Amino acid sequence: NAGVTQTPKFQVLKTGQSMTLQCAQDMNHEYMSWYRQDPGMGLRLIHYSVGAGITDQGEVPNGYNVSRSTTEDFPLRLLSAAPSQTSVYFCASSYLQGGGYTFGSGTRLTVV
Amino acid sequence: AQTVTQSQPEMSVQEAETVTLSCTYDTSENNYYLFWYKQPPSRQMILVIRQEAYKQQNATENRFSVNFQKAAKSFSLKISDSQLGDTAMYFCAFMKTQGAQKLVFGQGTRLTINP
Repeated sequence: NAGVTQTPKFQVLKTGQSMTLQCAQDMNHEYMSWYRQDPGMGLRLIHYSVGAGITDQGEVPNGYNVSRSTTEDFPLRLLSAAPSQTSVYFCASSYLQGGGYTFGSGTRLTVV
Repeated sequence: AQTVTQSQPEMSVQEAETVTLSCTYDTSENNYYLFWYKQPPSRQMILVIRQEAYKQQNATENRFSVNFQKAAKSFSLKISDSQLGDTAMYFCAFMKTQGAQKLVFGQGTRLTINP
């Protein structure tokens, strides 16, 4: 039981490049989310999913896409990276309404 | 929209002391969940404690306890007998009971436990 696995752990991109942050969970959780963490701002919700095939926007969705073709995987795509997307990204999952989320170990992304 | 405010950006105490971290929130919901998460230097987000708003009894987990004041919309975390391993960022978070599982986080409090 690996929990929530995020790859890569670190990434440097050039402005305009695209990439996908991977997230996988092996706990059969229905709920999955992506957050970004910036200094002094806590964590902010980018996109979330309540089950396979269902996704919706969070607080800061611009510049990001998601899909949820399986229960296990919830990748986050950066379409055209910008310096404002430099951040630490967390994927999280939960099985229970109101239950605490289990977080991945994060991806530190730098856009130059 | 819900907001969560942590008014203490940084705190520092000596090992074995008791420390209380403050959190206030704003919502028009009557039922919801509140959480405290710990983020040590490893960056991992760890759930410390969870409170259901309809339960009047304050949640406790070993040395961690909360003081939940629903009318005042206050949710403070008390750490007793603090240990060096408690050094971390602490985030307060809110979630509605209805609808999607969306966590709203406060800005965080950086807690340092000194030997």
